[in-house]
Amino acid sequence: AQSVSQHNHHVILSEAASLELGCNYSYGGTVNLFWYVQYPGQHLQLLLKYFSGDPLVKGIKGFEAEFIKSKFSFNLRKPSVQWSDTAEYFCAVNRNSGNTPLVFGKGTRLSVIA
Amino acid sequence: GAVVSQHPSWVICKSGTSVKIECRSLDFQATTMFWYRQFPKQSLMLMATSNEGSKATYEQGVEKDKFLINHASLTLSTLTVTSAHPEDSSFYICSARPPTPPQYFGPGTRLLVL
Repeated sequence: AQSVSQHNHHVILSEAASLELGCNYSYGGTVNLFWYVQYPGQHLQLLLKYFSGDPLVKGIKGFEAEFIKSKFSFNLRKPSVQWSDTAEYFCAVNRNSGNTPLVFGKGTRLSVIA
Repeated sequence: GAVVSQHPSWVICKSGTSVKIECRSLDFQATTMFWYRQFPKQSLMLMATSNEGSKATYEQGVEKDKFLINHASLTLSTLTVTSAHPEDSSFYICSARPPTPPQYFGPGTRLLVL
């Protein structure tokens, strides 16, 4: 079965610091990869996605992620975080075939302090 | 992006009653919708895959007689929590997938069973 690991449970950064959140998945086949964000009291929003092509994908709000197939990783990055980036971040994966459900990591809580 | 709505957003009920949650894709047709459950400070756990016109596929450990899913049309799936108990209190989230990914998530329904 697929699984998604997010190793950082809670990350605390100062504003303007750089961010990298780890995500690793366990599935040997072709996958689609996603990062979702959940702001306090709000629903999940898609930050970015990777289906194929350039392994470096850029999303909304200055976020980007790099797919490294050999490492089964899809880490999320942002060069300079803002207080408004405080949220829960979820990595998700599904098989690249048919209507397969997303498998989510446990999430990483990001707290950005002024 | 595409819009998925859920109704109600917040429900409180007495133990033993049944609660119906609706999930609608507002601007696209979804042959498949997914129902997730999110416990406080935890990730989303897939409960079932809802297929239009056929029976839902439940994940291991999810009671299909307790969580009734009906996908009556290409834009509507319902989750009914039958004979709800306090341990069913949770945040229920649906997602819908248009013909091309990604999935889009509804805003969630918070259920509190007293």
